[in-house]
Amino acid sequence: QSALTQPASVSGSPGQSITISCTGTSSDVGSYNLVSWYQQHPGKAPKFIIYEASKRPSGVSSRFSGSRSGNTASLTISGLQAEDEADYYCCSYAGLSTWVFGGGTKLTVL
Amino acid sequence: EVQLVESGGGLVQPGRSLRLSCTTSGFTFDDYAMHWVRKVPGKGLEWVSGIGRNSFNMDYADSVKGRFTISRDDAKNSLYLQMNALRAEDTALYYCAKFRSDFDVFDLWGHGTMVTVSS
Repeated sequence: QSALTQPASVSGSPGQSITISCTGTSSDVGSYNLVSWYQQHPGKAPKFIIYEASKRPSGVSSRFSGSRSGNTASLTISGLQAEDEADYYCCSYAGLSTWVFGGGTKLTVL
Repeated sequence: EVQLVESGGGLVQPGRSLRLSCTTSGFTFDDYAMHWVRKVPGKGLEWVSGIGRNSFNMDYADSVKGRFTISRDDAKNSLYLQMNALRAEDTALYYCAKFRSDFDVFDLWGHGTMVTVSS
């Protein structure tokens, strides 16, 4: 149950696109399409923005998209806005009813 | 309004015990699996434990297996985490999270309760 690997930080200017990677192993990300992404603003509870690697729940902006290839999942945010500045976490099913999260990525909108 | 409110955190010495509670409202509690997830200061989120509907199954991260016990009281719409033999590395903000099985996501979270293990 090792944490998924995410970059500690990413940054971008308003209007630009950024991508956050989430690297796991063949025991989690590589085996299951059950990858989700969470956005957390300071002092707030996490909010899920992507499920099943690439699906977006109703109410989440279409600027957020996800993908998965092999042992790596990715979250892309296009048309960056100031309100996107937050921490982002990936999560994957790891088998035997267990889950593993990533270390989190701090997104700074310049 | 859907709410999950954690309580029971605090400062505790290594080796001692603590019981966290999560009181919920606004949804049919017994229809959902529930989980505990923690955030260690300066680090990422860590899944801790989950319990199925009707307490059908309880699962734990290796880091807490044998020390923590998850339980639920559907009559009280509440989730619990009994933490024994606490260690410094258990210091974290503990979140209660509702699990949505059709999406396989933790779709609703509380704001957390802080546990500090220190002598």
